[in-house]
Amino acid sequence: SQQGEEDPQALSIQEGENATMNCSYKTSINNLQWYRQNSGRGLVHLILIRSNEREKHSGRLRVTLDTSKKSSSLLITASRAADTASYFCAPAGAGSYQLTFGKGTKLSVIP
Amino acid sequence: EAGVAQSPRYKIIEKRQSVAFWCNPISGHATLYWYQQILGQGPKLLIQFQNNGVVDDSQLPKDRFSAERLKGVDSTLKIQPAKLEDSAVYLCASSPQVAGGAYEQYFGPGTRLTVT
Repeated sequence: SQQGEEDPQALSIQEGENATMNCSYKTSINNLQWYRQNSGRGLVHLILIRSNEREKHSGRLRVTLDTSKKSSSLLITASRAADTASYFCAPAGAGSYQLTFGKGTKLSVIP
Repeated sequence: EAGVAQSPRYKIIEKRQSVAFWCNPISGHATLYWYQQILGQGPKLLIQFQNNGVVDDSQLPKDRFSAERLKGVDSTLKIQPAKLEDSAVYLCASSPQVAGGAYEQYFGPGTRLTVT
């Protein structure tokens, strides 16, 4: 199964600090995507990194991918209270491109 | 660009009753997904459509769940009869057809189903 497993399950930080979440998966992928879910905006796509890419940036987000270790990380810099949400990684299988979501990391940013 | 629309937003039914959810994807998106998200879990794929054909329904409990996508646009997901364990949020998502297959999914707000 390509299901991503996020670590840690929960993370609590102060506003302004950086937050790092990790994701591991088991089989070959075409790409890996990160999503955020909060009560206000539902499930929203954050960033997609292809299997031949090692790092990608989008605003305050930085994603890395290490296919040799079958792992990815999401870094949120200078966190804000509005970043409070659950973050999911979703590996997309090499053949089907289907996403398989893990249980997520619940991030709490304290003002 | 309008997002993925779903209705109803909330539904409460008794076990053994039937229920239907509706989804209207983003215009032009060929692929449509239905997910089930149980509290504290990530979304679990139930069924994937490409245009009006089923690509994968391997995780759809076909004895009680059914889904269709008429004319390759709107879709409905039905549960009949419902069980207590079907209480969850049902998410619809769509994505465009992009060469190479790497594309993001756009999610609707979901329908929160409570089975009592």
